[in-house]
Amino acid sequence: DVKVTQSSRYLVKRTGEKVFLECVQDMDHENMFWYRQDPGLGLRLIYFSYDVKMKEKGDIPEGYSVSREKKERFSLILESASTNQTSMYLCASSLRDRGDFGSGTRLTVV
Amino acid sequence: AQSVTQLDSQVPVFEEAPVELRCNYSSSVSVYLFWYVQYPNQGLQLLLKYLSGSTLVKGINGFEAEFNKSQTSFHLRKPSVHISDTAEYFCAVSSGGYNKLIFGAGTRLAVHP
Repeated sequence: DVKVTQSSRYLVKRTGEKVFLECVQDMDHENMFWYRQDPGLGLRLIYFSYDVKMKEKGDIPEGYSVSREKKERFSLILESASTNQTSMYLCASSLRDRGDFGSGTRLTVV
Repeated sequence: AQSVTQLDSQVPVFEEAPVELRCNYSSSVSVYLFWYVQYPNQGLQLLLKYLSGSTLVKGINGFEAEFNKSQTSFHLRKPSVHISDTAEYFCAVSSGGYNKLIFGAGTRLAVHP
């Protein structure tokens, strides 16, 4: 089974901090994704990557950046965290055939 | 742009009753369709998916969905629900390159004894 692992289950950060959310997959998938989940809005795509060092903006990229230096790792970066980025963040890999998501990181920005 | 509409934000139902969760999508090209479930305080789990072939798709936990191209719908059904089916259900569509998914807002299914 594919495993998508997110390094933190819960995070609390202060406004203005730089925040890194890490995601690792173990199946050599090329495509990886970052979503945020908010009540009543479902999941919205922030960024995705289709290869090492390659990235594309999703529907809500503002305030975020990403890094993919190795195939198995895809990082989401909040350059300067703000309270409106308090949310659940979900990472996924290779959605078409397997639909594997990580268990999520609940980020609170205070 | 593609979109997914889940017509009900909440569906209350009694145990052992049938349930249908509705999903409509907007796309003029071939699509892949998915239903995910999220139990309280857990991640997303794939229930079923339609990629091609038979329009009736069977998934885990006794759920099934029917792809209707003319009505651009992909409704999820279960003939008899259990308390343990209480969860949030998300419909999603994928098309084009990279297989990114567009999600609906979710339907919260509450099964009562």
